Amino acid sequence: AQSVTQLDSHVSVSEGTPVLLRCNYSSSYSPSLFWYVQHPNKGLQLLLKYTSAATLVKGINGFEAEFKKSETSFHLTKPSAHMSDAAEYFCVVSDRVDTGRRALTFGSGTRLQVQP
Amino acid sequence: DVKVTQSSRYLVKRTGEKVFLECVQDMDHENMFWYRQDPGLGLRLIYFSYDVKMKEKGDIPEGYSVSREKKERFSLILESASTNQTSMYLCASRVFGEGNTIYFGEGSWLTVV
Repeated sequence: AQSVTQLDSHVSVSEGTPVLLRCNYSSSYSPSLFWYVQHPNKGLQLLLKYTSAATLVKGINGFEAEFKKSETSFHLTKPSAHMSDAAEYFCVVSDRVDTGRRALTFGSGTRLQVQP
Repeated sequence: DVKVTQSSRYLVKRTGEKVFLECVQDMDHENMFWYRQDPGLGLRLIYFSYDVKMKEKGDIPEGYSVSREKKERFSLILESASTNQTSMYLCASRVFGEGNTIYFGEGSWLTVV
């Protein structure tokens, strides 16, 4: 069984300040982990992924995340927020071996607000 | 780049109408999914297809059916639309390898009146 917890439902930052969106997971195997971003009225866009290579993963738009197995965390960070980063962010865990429908588990989402 | 295309972005249908939502992916992925997304409920899996003509019910299949006659196309069918099916519908496809990355379409907003 696997689960994902996004620790904050809402995060508000000022433009130009760092962003931290927190994600903890539980899994009985070595998972793949993903962050997706969803802008209003849009689908989910892949930001970055961890699939067992480097634990520090760089994604699009200046985002990065670090896989910490000992802490079972995969937090998303960005050094300096931009107004266009305002969106909903989803952390997802995937079983790397199981290809069935239950292999994916979505977090409940974190809404990021960026204040001018 | 992987592309998952949902041809209808915004639809308005009447109660009782039959509705087709189409999804096409261009990367020869075996797996395809239909989710619906509602405020406060997150993403819920309606149906999953693991290959052509193969399908599996998700968590909320009632009122929906699917069709996958070709690998690239996965259709969601609402046999008789009801107002409680007003929602955002997201199609996705998944590639084996790359950690089983899943790619989403842009979404289809369906309003049933």
